[in-house]
Amino acid sequence: QKEVEQDPGPLSVPEGAIVSLNCTYSNSAFQYFMWYRQYSRKGPELLMYTYSSGNKEDGRFTAQVDKSSKYISLFIRDSQPSDSATYLCAMTNQAGTALIFGKGTTLSVSS
Amino acid sequence: GAVVSQHPSRVICKSGTSVKIECRSLDFQATTMFWYRQFPKKSLMLMATSNEGSKATYEQGVEKDKFLINHASLTLSTLTVTSAHPEDSSFYICSARAVDRGQGEAFFGQGTRLTVV
Repeated sequence: QKEVEQDPGPLSVPEGAIVSLNCTYSNSAFQYFMWYRQYSRKGPELLMYTYSSGNKEDGRFTAQVDKSSKYISLFIRDSQPSDSATYLCAMTNQAGTALIFGKGTTLSVSS
Repeated sequence: GAVVSQHPSRVICKSGTSVKIECRSLDFQATTMFWYRQFPKKSLMLMATSNEGSKATYEQGVEKDKFLINHASLTLSTLTVTSAHPEDSSFYICSARAVDRGQGEAFFGQGTRLTVV
């Protein structure tokens, strides 16, 4: 079993839809959880950062962490064509160590 | 968020030559920088962890003599691909963690697309 599992998609939704992206993981020691957005041929851009369990909201984006289920989610409300990108979940157990990434989910939002 | 600058963004080189990629943290100090490699439609693969003032730690299967990493200051790490071959063609991305902000956040450079011909 891989440490971090993420459905690669592709996921296609119409503009305005609510998008749900998810990752599961196996290492219960993970404490720091991040979501990155990556446009084609660009470096990943940090979207959301969560420590331990709980929810975090930033504009149209909401990140949820359920450590008991080893499951994290990113919700995008009122999706826009500009949200079309690959979304990578990432996590680590210790500050200062390298992130473990999911494979990324490719999202396409059509207008 | 913090800014990490990576240069060059694209480079084409001939087989057998060496290429240097720079990664700079512009508005924060980074004791640790990470170098990743990304293949098309694949996730980021950690190559090595670079600590300021000490030798880099390479992941299993990564040739340290081929991918030379130097982290001479708190704001600069370099990756040199030596004696490049076409199979080294890839997207290389650096990441830096800030000394004084966050516990787990990592910020990424724009990436360098290397093509070896």
